[in-house]
Amino acid sequence: EAGVVQSPRYKIIEKKQPVAFWCNPISGHNTLYWYRQNLGQGPELLIRYENEEAVDDSQLPKDRFSAERLKGVDSTLKIQPAELGDSAVYLCASSPPKGVPYEQYFGPGTRLTVT
Amino acid sequence: GQQVMQIPQYQHVQEGEDFTTYCNSSTTLSNIQWYKQRPGGHPVFLIQLVKSGEVKKQKRLTFQFGEAKKNSSLHITATQTTDVGTYFCAANAGGTSYGKLTFGQGTILTVHP
Repeated sequence: EAGVVQSPRYKIIEKKQPVAFWCNPISGHNTLYWYRQNLGQGPELLIRYENEEAVDDSQLPKDRFSAERLKGVDSTLKIQPAELGDSAVYLCASSPPKGVPYEQYFGPGTRLTVT
Repeated sequence: GQQVMQIPQYQHVQEGEDFTTYCNSSTTLSNIQWYKQRPGGHPVFLIQLVKSGEVKKQKRLTFQFGEAKKNSSLHITATQTTDVGTYFCAANAGGTSYGKLTFGQGTILTVHP
C-alpha cells in the first residue's frame, strides 16, 4: 500500500512570494489533514477535510492560507504571501473510514524556508 | 482551548535503561494516541487508548491512560538505539472536537550505546 505522498519535499522562497503544497492521501482514506510543525514542537492542525468538506479550519490563518480538496482525494495548501514566520514543515495526513478512529497516517512533509 | 503538556522535553539514557514520558491534559479526554517521529522523519502512529485506566503493551512499550482520562504515559523497558526519536501524545477531546488531535510538544529520546 502506498503511503501519503507530498510534494515538493523542500521549498525555499523569499518572503511575500506565494507557495503551494500538494498532498495525495492513501487510497480510500476519506479524512485528510494539514498540519504545521515548527522545530521542536508537535504538529499543529491547520485544516481537516471529510471527503471534500472542510470540517475544521478554525486554526487556518485565512488571511494568507487557503486549502482545497475539490474531488475529495488530493489536496492543495497555499500560502500567499509567505512570511518569515511561515518557515516550518507542513505535514499532510489521512485517516481511513474504518479501523482505529482517526488513526493518522502522515506523509513525509514539505520543509518550507522563507528568507 | 485544549492544552496538552508533555514532560520531559528531553531524555538521555544509556542503552538498557528504562524511559518514561508523561502527558497531561487540561480537560477530560475521549481518547489519546501516541506517535513516534524518528529524526528527519514523520510521525508514525503507535497506539490509541480509550478506556479509563487502560493499559496496553507492545513488546517493550507500555502505555497507560489515567483513571480520570486526563493523563497518559509511555514507558519503554530496556531501551535500544532503535528507540531514538521524539514521542508525541495526541489528545482527542471528543464532543464537537471529535477527530481533532492536539499534539503535545513531544519528548526527545536519545539512547547512548
